[in-house]
Amino acid sequence: EVQLLESGGGLVQPGESLRVSCAASGFTFSDYPMAWVRQAPGKGLEWVSSISGSGVTTSYAESVKGRFTISRDNSRNFLYLEMNSLRAEDTAIYYCAKDLVGGWEPAAFDVWGQGTMVTVSS
Amino acid sequence: DIQMTQSPSTLSAFVGDRVTITCRASQSIGNWLAWYQQTPGKAPKLLIYQASSLGSGVPSRFSGSGSGTEFTLTISSLQPDDFATYYCQQYNNRWTFGQGTKVEIK
Repeated sequence: EVQLLESGGGLVQPGESLRVSCAASGFTFSDYPMAWVRQAPGKGLEWVSSISGSGVTTSYAESVKGRFTISRDNSRNFLYLEMNSLRAEDTAIYYCAKDLVGGWEPAAFDVWGQGTMVTVSS
Repeated sequence: DIQMTQSPSTLSAFVGDRVTITCRASQSIGNWLAWYQQTPGKAPKLLIYQASSLGSGVPSRFSGSGSGTEFTLTISSLQPDDFATYYCQQYNNRWTFGQGTKVEIK
């Protein structure tokens, strides 16, 4: 069974850093691009960042560019999101998601984790 | 960035009703469009990809159509499990979601 399991969320103060992780299982992790999508409380979905299967190519939403870094460890089947200079508006559930198709091609997200909550507040 | 606009924002319907949700893109995205269903406290679930292809395990009462800038999601006969929020997403140029359509019980 294909599964994604996020961890690492928590409460941090504005300006601090946090790294969230996503453990993948049930598929050949290195074959698929992966993404982070967030959802602020009571709000809609916002794509945050994506990374190619090899980890060489990345893409970021303008709202996080320069502050967040996506990475992956294909030897351990983990996806990461390093978040720096956190702001109150970054408060959200962070979901990791798997691309439907392999390769850096246009793709929907066919598998999602359960999410991890990040709260930025003083 | 490509903007996605859904209508309506909220929809009230009875079990058994035929329901249609519209999604418009700010520029042509071909057929690179997906639909997701989200129930409270749960992660989104892929329903439709490439505008009209049914996701794995998704009931056939769900269907998608459209291309270019205008797309629709149709539920042919609304079931109790279908009361949820639905999001469209373009993936022609990076990824953008619509604001969501909440389907409520009438």
